[in-house]
Amino acid sequence: KAGVTQTPRYLIKTRGQQVTLSCSPISGHRSVSWYQQTPGQGLQFLFEYFSETQRNKGNFPGRFSGRQFSNSRSEMNVSTLELGDSALYLCASSLGSLAGKETQYFGPGTRLLVL
Amino acid sequence: DQQVKQNSPSLSVQEGRISILNCDYTNSMFDYFLWYKKYPAEGPTFLISISSIKDKNEDGRFTVFLNKSAKHLSLHIVPSQPGDSAVYFCAASGNGGSQGNLIFGKGTKLSVKP
Repeated sequence: KAGVTQTPRYLIKTRGQQVTLSCSPISGHRSVSWYQQTPGQGLQFLFEYFSETQRNKGNFPGRFSGRQFSNSRSEMNVSTLELGDSALYLCASSLGSLAGKETQYFGPGTRLLVL
Repeated sequence: DQQVKQNSPSLSVQEGRISILNCDYTNSMFDYFLWYKKYPAEGPTFLISISSIKDKNEDGRFTVFLNKSAKHLSLHIVPSQPGDSAVYFCAASGNGGSQGNLIFGKGTKLSVKP
């Protein structure tokens, strides 16, 4: 079974621009979560999508948004980029059971550099 | 305030010996705990998990122990191998139904010396 894939792997943008990152979950997984990893803050939860609906959201400004398509693929968008948005953005998928206690499987990440 | 803490940023162990990585948490609502291993510029790789109804789970060289009263878990790697050198993250979920939201510690960098 193919793992979680993310595109692009690397991206360079300038302040004020916007960016869209893509994530394809493991086949059969309906939940997609996004995380930001920075050296100072570690791995922080951005949001989770399940059945095309945002089910959970972390403490990030509204410039960070996402969506999920009917095939469970997800995109994440960051508008008006700031230098502090430079980070590794990770996507993780799971089956999405409401019972919880699920393992999330991560993609390789997209490394975003904002200049 | 950090809900999941890994107080040792680094650990160095000799090949063949035991590696013990520790993790503390503060939220008693957490009911599922996971350990991930991460190499630079790659996504975390799932290693092992444990439900709060258990106190031990074993998978090959990896064993996770959970002490709910102390809100503490540990990952034991026996025997340690040079390929185990990576950053290890402890994560927790189950915060009152927040599915899809893993709370991570800041990681412990393990170095296994030949």
